[in-house]
Amino acid sequence: DIKMTQSPSSLSASVGDRVTITCRASQSINNYLNWYQQKPGKAPKLLIYAASTLQSGVPSRFSGSGSGTDFTLTISSLLPEDFATYSCQQSYSFPVTFGGGTKVEIK
Amino acid sequence: QVQLVQSGAEVKKPGASVKVSCKASGYTFTNYAIYWVRQAPGQRLEWMGWINAGNGDTKYSQKFQGRVTITRDTSASTAYMELSGLRSEDTAVYYCARGFPPDDAFDIWGQGTMVTVSS
Repeated sequence: DIKMTQSPSSLSASVGDRVTITCRASQSINNYLNWYQQKPGKAPKLLIYAASTLQSGVPSRFSGSGSGTDFTLTISSLLPEDFATYSCQQSYSFPVTFGGGTKVEIK
Repeated sequence: QVQLVQSGAEVKKPGASVKVSCKASGYTFTNYAIYWVRQAPGQRLEWMGWINAGNGDTKYSQKFQGRVTITRDTSASTAYMELSGLRSEDTAVYYCARGFPPDDAFDIWGQGTMVTVSS
Protein backbone atom coordinates (compact mmCIF):
# COMPACT_ATOMS: atom_id res chain seq x y z
CA ASP A 1 0.00 0.00 0.00
CA ILE A 2 1.16 3.56 -0.69
CA LYS A 3 1.65 5.48 2.54
CA MET A 4 0.76 9.16 2.55
CA THR A 5 2.50 11.34 5.14
CA GLN A 6 1.40 14.91 5.80
CA SER A 7 3.20 17.63 7.69
CA PRO A 8 2.62 19.36 9.90
CA SER A 9 -0.17 17.50 11.67
CA SER A 10 -1.44 20.84 12.96
CA LEU A 11 -0.58 24.50 12.69
CA SER A 12 -1.75 27.80 14.13
CA ALA A 13 -2.09 30.74 11.80
CA SER A 14 -3.73 34.14 11.60
CA VAL A 15 -6.19 35.52 9.09
CA GLY A 16 -4.18 36.78 6.12
CA ASP A 17 -1.27 34.36 6.61
CA ARG A 18 0.16 32.24 3.83
CA VAL A 19 -0.06 28.57 4.76
CA THR A 20 1.72 25.62 3.17
CA ILE A 21 0.96 21.96 3.87
CA THR A 22 3.08 19.13 2.52
CA CYS A 23 2.20 15.58 1.57
CA ARG A 24 4.72 12.86 0.78
CA ALA A 25 3.96 9.53 -0.88
CA SER A 26 5.98 6.41 -0.08
CA GLN A 27 6.47 5.83 -3.83
CA SER A 28 5.90 7.80 -6.99
CA ILE A 29 2.27 8.54 -7.74
CA ASN A 30 2.90 10.82 -10.75
CA ASN A 31 0.32 13.57 -10.24
CA TYR A 32 -2.50 11.37 -8.90
CA LEU A 33 -2.83 13.49 -5.78
CA ASN A 34 -5.98 15.17 -4.47
CA TRP A 35 -6.58 17.58 -1.59
CA TYR A 36 -9.68 17.82 0.58
CA GLN A 37 -10.93 20.24 3.21
CA GLN A 38 -13.02 18.93 6.08
CA LYS A 39 -14.84 20.87 8.79
CA PRO A 40 -16.08 19.27 12.02
CA GLY A 41 -19.13 17.08 11.51
CA LYS A 42 -19.06 17.56 7.74
CA ALA A 43 -18.04 15.48 4.75
CA PRO A 44 -14.75 16.29 3.04
CA LYS A 45 -14.80 18.74 0.14
CA LEU A 46 -12.58 18.36 -2.92
CA LEU A 47 -10.26 21.36 -3.38
CA ILE A 48 -7.54 20.25 -5.79
CA TYR A 49 -7.26 17.22 -8.07
CA ALA A 50 -4.44 15.91 -10.22
CA ALA A 51 -2.01 17.71 -7.89
CA SER A 52 -2.64 21.22 -9.21
CA THR A 53 -6.09 21.53 -10.81
CA LEU A 54 -8.52 23.66 -8.86
CA GLN A 55 -11.94 22.05 -8.47
CA SER A 56 -14.79 24.14 -9.86
CA GLY A 57 -16.03 26.71 -7.36
CA VAL A 58 -12.96 26.58 -5.13
CA PRO A 59 -11.40 30.01 -4.48
CA SER A 60 -8.14 30.82 -6.25
CA ARG A 61 -6.31 31.41 -2.94
CA PHE A 62 -5.97 27.61 -2.86
CA SER A 63 -3.27 26.08 -5.04
CA GLY A 64 -1.48 22.78 -5.33
CA SER A 65 1.85 21.70 -6.73
CA GLY A 66 4.20 18.76 -6.97
CA SER A 67 4.61 15.45 -8.72
CA GLY A 68 6.20 12.10 -8.03
CA THR A 69 6.38 11.82 -4.27
CA ASP A 70 6.28 15.38 -2.91
CA PHE A 71 3.28 17.69 -3.01
CA THR A 72 2.14 20.93 -1.42
CA LEU A 73 -1.13 22.69 -0.78
CA THR A 74 -0.88 26.45 -0.35
CA ILE A 75 -3.46 28.89 0.92
CA SER A 76 -2.21 32.31 -0.16
CA SER A 77 -4.12 34.41 2.36
CA LEU A 78 -6.05 32.65 5.08
CA LEU A 79 -9.69 33.58 5.60
CA PRO A 80 -11.79 32.70 8.68
CA GLU A 81 -13.68 30.01 6.73
CA ASP A 82 -10.41 28.23 5.91
CA PHE A 83 -9.86 26.98 9.45
CA ALA A 84 -10.40 23.25 8.94
CA THR A 85 -8.54 19.98 8.46
CA TYR A 86 -6.86 19.31 5.13
CA SER A 87 -6.12 15.82 3.83
CA CYS A 88 -4.26 14.53 0.81
CA GLN A 89 -5.25 11.37 -1.05
CA GLN A 90 -3.54 9.32 -3.74
CA SER A 91 -5.63 7.88 -6.55
CA TYR A 92 -2.68 6.30 -8.39
CA SER A 93 -3.40 2.75 -7.29
CA PHE A 94 -5.65 0.65 -5.12
CA PRO A 95 -6.00 0.76 -2.23
CA VAL A 96 -6.72 4.48 -2.31
CA THR A 97 -4.97 5.99 0.71
CA PHE A 98 -5.21 9.26 2.60
CA GLY A 99 -2.80 11.33 4.61
CA GLY A 100 -3.34 11.80 8.30
CA GLY A 101 -4.63 15.35 7.94
CA THR A 102 -3.40 18.81 8.87
CA LYS A 103 -5.54 20.81 11.25
CA VAL A 104 -5.33 24.54 10.62
CA GLU A 105 -6.27 26.43 13.76
CA ILE A 106 -6.67 30.07 14.60
CA LYS A 107 -3.68 31.67 16.30
CA GLN B 1 -28.34 19.58 -8.04
CA VAL B 2 -25.83 16.77 -7.99
CA GLN B 3 -25.95 15.03 -4.63
CA LEU B 4 -25.57 11.81 -2.72
CA VAL B 5 -27.96 11.22 0.17
CA GLN B 6 -27.17 8.48 2.67
CA SER B 7 -29.37 6.55 5.06
CA GLY B 8 -29.56 7.45 8.72
CA ALA B 9 -27.49 6.60 11.75
CA GLU B 10 -27.35 3.01 12.99
CA VAL B 11 -26.60 1.37 16.32
CA LYS B 12 -25.59 -2.28 16.11
CA LYS B 13 -24.42 -4.99 18.45
CA PRO B 14 -21.08 -6.72 17.96
CA GLY B 15 -21.32 -9.49 15.38
CA ALA B 16 -24.25 -7.88 13.56
CA SER B 17 -24.31 -6.48 10.03
CA VAL B 18 -25.14 -3.01 8.78
CA LYS B 19 -26.25 -1.89 5.33
CA VAL B 20 -25.89 1.76 4.38
CA SER B 21 -27.51 3.23 1.28
CA CYS B 22 -26.37 6.10 -0.91
CA LYS B 23 -28.92 7.59 -3.31
CA ALA B 24 -27.63 9.63 -6.22
CA SER B 25 -29.49 12.42 -7.96
CA GLY B 26 -28.75 15.16 -10.46
CA TYR B 27 -26.49 13.08 -12.73
CA THR B 28 -26.44 9.83 -14.70
CA PHE B 29 -25.74 7.28 -11.98
CA THR B 30 -24.23 4.67 -14.27
CA ASN B 31 -21.58 7.03 -15.67
CA TYR B 32 -19.56 7.22 -12.46
CA ALA B 33 -18.01 5.04 -9.80
CA ILE B 34 -19.10 5.16 -6.18
CA TYR B 35 -16.52 4.79 -3.44
CA TRP B 36 -17.06 4.01 0.24
CA VAL B 37 -14.80 5.64 2.81
CA ARG B 38 -15.01 5.59 6.59
CA GLN B 39 -13.61 7.76 9.35
CA ALA B 40 -13.31 6.50 12.91
CA PRO B 41 -13.25 9.14 15.66
CA GLY B 42 -10.02 11.13 15.43
CA GLN B 43 -8.67 8.92 12.63
CA ARG B 44 -7.78 9.48 9.00
CA LEU B 45 -10.13 8.70 6.16
CA GLU B 46 -10.00 5.04 5.16
CA TRP B 47 -11.03 3.61 1.79
CA MET B 48 -13.21 0.51 1.96
CA GLY B 49 -14.17 -0.27 -1.59
CA TRP B 50 -15.49 0.83 -4.97
CA ILE B 51 -18.20 -0.07 -7.42
CA ASN B 52 -18.48 0.78 -11.08
CA ALA B 53 -22.11 1.86 -11.10
CA GLY B 54 -22.34 1.07 -14.80
CA ASN B 55 -21.27 -2.57 -14.94
CA GLY B 56 -21.30 -3.46 -11.24
CA ASP B 57 -17.60 -4.32 -10.99
CA THR B 58 -16.29 -4.01 -7.45
CA LYS B 59 -12.96 -3.80 -5.68
CA TYR B 60 -12.44 -3.97 -1.94
CA SER B 61 -9.71 -2.99 0.47
CA GLN B 62 -7.91 -6.10 1.66
CA LYS B 63 -8.56 -4.93 5.21
CA PHE B 64 -12.30 -5.46 4.74
CA GLN B 65 -12.20 -8.35 2.25
CA GLY B 66 -14.75 -10.95 3.26
CA ARG B 67 -16.69 -8.56 5.48
CA VAL B 68 -17.78 -5.84 3.06
CA THR B 69 -20.12 -6.07 0.09
CA ILE B 70 -20.90 -3.14 -2.19
CA THR B 71 -23.85 -3.36 -4.57
CA ARG B 72 -25.97 -1.02 -6.61
CA ASP B 73 -29.53 -0.75 -7.91
CA THR B 74 -29.43 1.20 -11.14
CA SER B 75 -33.23 1.56 -11.27
CA ALA B 76 -33.06 3.42 -7.96
CA SER B 77 -29.72 5.18 -8.61
CA THR B 78 -28.60 3.84 -5.26
CA ALA B 79 -25.43 2.18 -4.03
CA TYR B 80 -25.21 0.06 -0.90
CA MET B 81 -22.42 -0.91 1.47
CA GLU B 82 -22.94 -3.84 3.80
CA LEU B 83 -20.43 -4.58 6.53
CA SER B 84 -20.75 -7.81 8.51
CA GLY B 85 -19.16 -9.16 11.67
CA LEU B 86 -19.23 -5.74 13.28
CA ARG B 87 -16.87 -5.00 16.13
CA SER B 88 -16.37 -1.93 18.30
CA GLU B 89 -13.52 -0.76 16.05
CA ASP B 90 -16.03 -0.39 13.21
CA THR B 91 -17.66 2.55 15.02
CA ALA B 92 -17.19 5.33 12.50
CA VAL B 93 -18.83 7.70 10.06
CA TYR B 94 -19.28 5.98 6.72
CA TYR B 95 -19.29 8.08 3.55
CA CYS B 96 -20.08 7.36 -0.05
CA ALA B 97 -18.41 9.53 -2.67
CA ARG B 98 -18.54 9.86 -6.44
CA GLY B 99 -15.38 9.18 -8.39
CA PHE B 100 -14.66 11.98 -10.87
CA PRO B 101 -12.90 10.75 -14.00
CA PRO B 102 -10.25 10.30 -15.12
CA ASP B 103 -8.39 10.14 -11.82
CA ASP B 104 -11.42 9.35 -9.67
CA ALA B 105 -10.97 12.21 -7.24
CA PHE B 106 -14.00 12.26 -4.95
CA ASP B 107 -15.93 15.28 -6.14
CA ILE B 108 -19.31 14.66 -4.52
CA TRP B 109 -19.77 13.18 -1.03
CA GLY B 110 -22.73 11.91 0.89
CA GLN B 111 -23.48 13.53 4.22
CA GLY B 112 -22.11 10.54 6.13
CA THR B 113 -23.78 7.82 8.20
CA MET B 114 -22.74 7.27 11.80
CA VAL B 115 -22.53 3.59 12.68
CA THR B 116 -22.07 2.81 16.36
CA VAL B 117 -21.18 -0.72 17.45
CA SER B 118 -21.87 -1.30 21.10
CA SER B 119 -23.10 -4.09 23.31
